[in-house]
Amino acid sequence: GAVVSQHPSRVICKSGTSVKIECRSLDFQATTMFWYRQFPKQSLMLMATSNEGSKATYEQGVEKDKFLINHASLTLSTLTVTSAHPEDSSFYICSASPAGTRGYTFGSGTRLTVV
Amino acid sequence: AQSVAQPEDQVNVAEGNPLTVKCTYSVSGNPYLFWYVQYPNRGLQFLLKYITGDNLVKGSYGFEAEFNKSQTSFHLKKPSALVSDSALYFCAVRVPYSGAGSYQLTFGKGTKLSVIP
Repeated sequence: GAVVSQHPSRVICKSGTSVKIECRSLDFQATTMFWYRQFPKQSLMLMATSNEGSKATYEQGVEKDKFLINHASLTLSTLTVTSAHPEDSSFYICSASPAGTRGYTFGSGTRLTVV
Repeated sequence: AQSVAQPEDQVNVAEGNPLTVKCTYSVSGNPYLFWYVQYPNRGLQFLLKYITGDNLVKGSYGFEAEFNKSQTSFHLKKPSALVSDSALYFCAVRVPYSGAGSYQLTFGKGTKLSVIP
């Protein structure tokens, strides 16, 4: 079945540094990928829709300069949290919809802790 | 705008008993409905989906859900709960593609299922 690989699974970084999270579709091409943020005991909040070869579409209230998204190929999208602060600590999950399935496959998530 | 409601934050059920996790939705048009399960610090695992056809959908791990258009519900059910079913369950909805933004999957807030041995 369709697999989305997300790395790293956990990362701890110092305040002020940047962190890159990768999301790869392993056995299918993904023109569109989705990035979610999940706070403890809460639902998934869509942050942005990543489009291959074009700019990402950000949801209202999400800082595009803070959360940089690059979708340079049909199998890779990256989310870079720039100048991270403790309030950026969260669980980030990516997702893609394999063509013809009308469904979604999720990555295993990245636990970001900013100290 | 589309929305999903999961009215129960937590559901407790004894092992071996049937379980139900409730979900209602609000969309314009015909919905695509999904159930996902999440274990601690993990991504979401797909359980089942309703696109069209039979209202009763069977999915992974013995779960099933019934699409009820008149009640705008898509409750998740399992005849006999296992301790290993204990996890966080999310209901989600989207509409068929009709333009920009309509690929968006909208999630309910999640229901924590605890199966008691």
